[in-house]
Parts: sequence; C-alpha cells; structure tokens
Amino acid sequence: TQLLEQSPQFLSIQEGENLTVYCNSSSVFSSLQWYRQEPGEGPVLLVTVVTGGEVKKLKRLTFQFGDARKDSSLHITAAQPGDTGLYLCAGATPGKTSYDKVIFGPGTSLSVIP
Amino acid sequence: DTGVSQDPRHKITKRGQNVTFRCDPISEHNRLYWYRQTLGQGPEFLTYFQNEAQLEKSRLLSDRFSAERPKGSFSTLEIQRTEQGDSAMYLCASSFPTGRSYGYTFGSGTRLTVV
Repeated sequence: TQLLEQSPQFLSIQEGENLTVYCNSSSVFSSLQWYRQEPGEGPVLLVTVVTGGEVKKLKRLTFQFGDARKDSSLHITAAQPGDTGLYLCAGATPGKTSYDKVIFGPGTSLSVIP
Repeated sequence: DTGVSQDPRHKITKRGQNVTFRCDPISEHNRLYWYRQTLGQGPEFLTYFQNEAQLEKSRLLSDRFSAERPKGSFSTLEIQRTEQGDSAMYLCASSFPTGRSYGYTFGSGTRLTVV
C-alpha cells in the first residue's frame, strides 16, 4: 500500500519567518505535486516536479524533489498571512490504465500570524 | 472557461436519503476524477473517467455509490441510503489527457452532512 507522510502536521509561525515542510514515502513516484487548500475550497495546484533532484521556485516558495523520487520538501521564505492554508503533497504512479494514479498525503496545516 | 464547477456546494441530508452531486470539468479535459476528503485528511481517490468510460474505482466506492459521465462531459456521483460516515467533502477534478500526471484542477467541492 502506497503511503505519503507529511510533517509537521501543524505549523504556526510569525509573519516574516521561514519554514520547511516535508513529504516522505517509501514509494517511487513518476511525479510529485504540491497543492494549497483553503477552508471550504478545493486544492489548488502550486507545482509539479518530475525529475529526481529537481528544484522549482515560485516566488517565495521553493520546491525540491528528492534524488530517488520518494520525497519532497517545500520551503517558504518570509511567510505572509496569505500563505495560511493546508499544504498537500501528492504522488503519481502508473495506474491500472493509461493514467497516473495520484495519492495525497494528509497535509500540513500552516498558520501565519500577522 | 471558469474552471471545474461543482453543484451543490453544501448538502445536508437525513440518514437513509439518496443524494446526487454534479461536476462540470474544464471543457478541454477528457479525464475526470472524484475524491473524498474528511476533516484533517488528504483527498482519497474514489473513481476516474476517461471520456465516458469509468476506468478505475476505489474499494472505497461501495455498492451505495455510483458515478456516471454519460456524454463524456459532466459527471454525477450518487450516494444511496446515506450513512453518517458518508459525511465529507466530495471533490471533483479534471486533467489533460497525458500519460504522466502533471496535476489536477479541482472544483470547490460539495460538502455533505448526513444527520
């Protein structure tokens, strides 16, 4: 059974601080996605990484895919209250048909205090 | 195109009643997915359509659940004889038809409460 773990589960920080959240698995993924979800809304795709060791930057957010394509991290620099939300990682593996099956981790709930 | 639309946004129903949810994906996306999310958890896969064909179903999708996508456009998810354990956010997503997953576009979800 494939399982994605995320840590920490909850994180509360002051505006301007830096933070890193982690996504780990024993499975190898063909791609890994990060989403942000706000209360009462669906997840919104932030980035997809596909190559082991790949680093992608999205303004103050830096995403890294592990060399073995089993883990990933998300680093936020100078967090702002607008960064508050549930950060979900999702790994894709070949499904029963021609598509990649995507499984989600439990998420990291981030609260940035002004 | 305004993205993935789900209707209704909220549904409160009595235990034992049937409910149906609708999802309208992005028009160019021929792949459509249903997920269920409970409080404090990530979304769990329920089922996947490519055009009108339902190609995969999770064992989470019991006999009381049925999903359709009759013309390869919108999809419906029906839950019969609802139980309190069915209370959750039901999310629909769609994607481009590529082999590797580059990510989904999700709707805002339907929040189901069974009382």
